[in-house]
Amino acid sequence: EADIYQTPRYLVIGTGKKITLECSQTMGHDKMYWYQQDPGMELHLIHYSYGVNSTEKGDLSSESTVSRIRTEHFPLTLESARPSHTSQYLCASSEWVGAENTGELFFGEGSRLTVL
Amino acid sequence: AQTVTQSQPEMSVQEAETVTLSCTYDTSESNYYLFWYKQPPSRQMILVIRQEAYKQQNATENRFSVNFQKAAKSFSLKISDSQLGDTAMYFCAFMTPNDYKLSFGAGTTVTVRA
Repeated sequence: EADIYQTPRYLVIGTGKKITLECSQTMGHDKMYWYQQDPGMELHLIHYSYGVNSTEKGDLSSESTVSRIRTEHFPLTLESARPSHTSQYLCASSEWVGAENTGELFFGEGSRLTVL
Repeated sequence: AQTVTQSQPEMSVQEAETVTLSCTYDTSESNYYLFWYKQPPSRQMILVIRQEAYKQQNATENRFSVNFQKAAKSFSLKISDSQLGDTAMYFCAFMTPNDYKLSFGAGTTVTVRA
C-alpha cells in the first residue's frame, strides 16, 4: 500500500460552495500531481508540483488552485463549485528518476466530488 | 506533446487464459519511460510494469510481460494465467525525464470470467 492519503473520499456539495480536497504523502516525495478522471475514462493532469512553493498547471485547464507549503501536503481548492466540476480527483506523488527510483507514481484512493 | 492510444475499450478473458492489451504512443523524444497501471474497481491505481526506452529487453513481472517495439512505438501488455483479481481498468502511460509528467491512454477495461 502506498503512503498517500486523500480526504474526503466522497463529497456531495451544492453549487457555489468552496471545497478543498486534501492530499498528504509520507514518503518524502518532491513531486506531486493532481489528475482528474471521469468514470471509466482516462486521467488528465490538472496540477503538479516539483517541490515546496512550486506549482504548475497541467495539460487540462481547471478552475481549481493548488498550494505546496509543505513537502507532504498538496491540497486542491475550488472557490466556487459547479456541476461541471463533478468528477474524481486523484492525487499522486513520485520521486526523481535515478538509480534507485523508477519514476513510479504512487496514487491515493481518489476523491469523488459531486456538485449539485 | 505526447499522445498515448489504447484502441481496446474493453476485453474479456477466461480465468487461466492469456490476454494482450495494445498501446501505441507518439513522441519525438528518444529517452522516455512507459508504464502499465492497473485501477481495480474503487481501489487505488497501482503500477503493473515499467519499461525504459533505452532497454531493448522486454520487462517482465511475474504473469505480466510487455512487448516493446520502439520503432513502431508500440507497448503491449500480456497477462498470462489470468486471475479474477486481474479484473480492472488498465492504463498505458508515458513519461519523459524532461518533465516527469505522466500522460495516460484512455484505458482498457479487462474482465476475467470464472
